[in-house]
Amino acid sequence: NAGVMQNPRHLVRRRGQEARLRCSPMKGHSHVYWYRQLPEEGLKFMVYLQKENIIDESGMPKERFSAEFPKEGPSILRIQQVVRGDSAAYFCASSPHPDSYEQYFGPGTRLTVT
Amino acid sequence: AQSVTQLDSHVSVSEGTPVLLRCNYSSSYSPSLFWYVQHPNKGLQLLLKYTSAATLVKGINGFEAEFKKSETSFHLTKPSAHMSDAAEYFCVVSDNGGYSTLTFGKGTMLLVSP
Repeated sequence: NAGVMQNPRHLVRRRGQEARLRCSPMKGHSHVYWYRQLPEEGLKFMVYLQKENIIDESGMPKERFSAEFPKEGPSILRIQQVVRGDSAAYFCASSPHPDSYEQYFGPGTRLTVT
Repeated sequence: AQSVTQLDSHVSVSEGTPVLLRCNYSSSYSPSLFWYVQHPNKGLQLLLKYTSAATLVKGINGFEAEFKKSETSFHLTKPSAHMSDAAEYFCVVSDNGGYSTLTFGKGTMLLVSP
């Protein structure tokens, strides 16, 4: 049973470009969470999605960031017009149901904006 | 609202000596509490969790933590440190109010010297 998969593991973008981060949850998991880890900080919740639904996006910046979890395929975190402050590690986690307090984390995508 | 305070940003121990990583939390509901470990450039691995059962929780690799409601603490301990324990440790809280989004502390870097 493969764990949570994220790709790419490392992503370099120039300011103004778009970044697309992918997350494939564990088999049988339909709940996905995205977190951002800035340097010297803990992880901060961004968004919680179920298949085809955004449940909680209270941690998402209001502009340039969006997330989706389609019926088929991975969850996507999209950052438009990236800026240097977007440089961070982005982690995805999945769980089998919403009241499962244990979330399984992927290895993360490290985004560097130059 | 929930929050986590990890009292030490860095802890240094010698191999074979005890480890204590301190964590205090605040939560509006009965919380679930976790410790995760992150090795360099790796994802997060769950060490142990407390979900309102026994207050002394045993985890992997010889770690354990005790939930103390009166002190709002969930300190992580290990009797004897190993070199492979060197990593960053995150204390995490989740309110048991519907679905769970995790709130992370800022992390404690554990350094183990020979």
